[in-house]
Amino acid sequence: DIQMTQSPSSLSASVGDRVTITCRASQIISSYLNWYQQKPGKAPQLLIYGASNLHSGVPARFSGSESGTDFTLTISSLQPEDFATYYCHQSYSTPYTFGQGTKLEIK
Amino acid sequence: QVQLVESGGGVVQPGRSLRLSCAASGFTFSSYAMYWVRQAPGKGLEWVAVVSNDGSNKYHAASVRGRFTISRDNSKNTLYLQMNSLRADDTALYYCARGGSSGYYDFWGQGTLVTVSS
Repeated sequence: DIQMTQSPSSLSASVGDRVTITCRASQIISSYLNWYQQKPGKAPQLLIYGASNLHSGVPARFSGSESGTDFTLTISSLQPEDFATYYCHQSYSTPYTFGQGTKLEIK
Repeated sequence: QVQLVESGGGVVQPGRSLRLSCAASGFTFSSYAMYWVRQAPGKGLEWVAVVSNDGSNKYHAASVRGRFTISRDNSKNTLYLQMNSLRADDTALYYCARGGSSGYYDFWGQGTLVTVSS
């Protein structure tokens, strides 16, 4: 199985900060890496697919990048509605695995 | 607009069965692979199963293989998850999700809660 190691597991930041969350795959997954945002009591929502493609309706302050088996989600300027839990997810091969999540909290 | 509405969850004793449904609307259901993903209370996300758009190909996570079966009825725009031999560690919120071209989940339902307890 492909392991997805996400870091940090939690993060405190302020409105307006630039934030980076990373995810490392245990093997090559090409660009089959997706990012989701989940708010308490809500279903996850797709942010980024294919490592760097912004899903329809997602604000441009979200971006994704890749370098080998390392993937990054960046929020350029945190907004109040961005405080949530973020998950990476590989769709390269079954079983499709998720990172353990990063909880982004208000400082 | 795309809508996915899960149903069928509830409280069930260990060893019993349950069938979840996911009613889809707002898109051509038969054109998309569909997924089940679950989330145990306070935990992360776990992929459970996938079915191809025409129902011919199905894959299940090792943790549920042999106990759970994913299926779909394209004439009814409905996705199913038959869950047998339920265990306490199957307790979770079960989401159905639509699959994108490279396996991402672009739309999710609101989830249905399954609690396995005696």
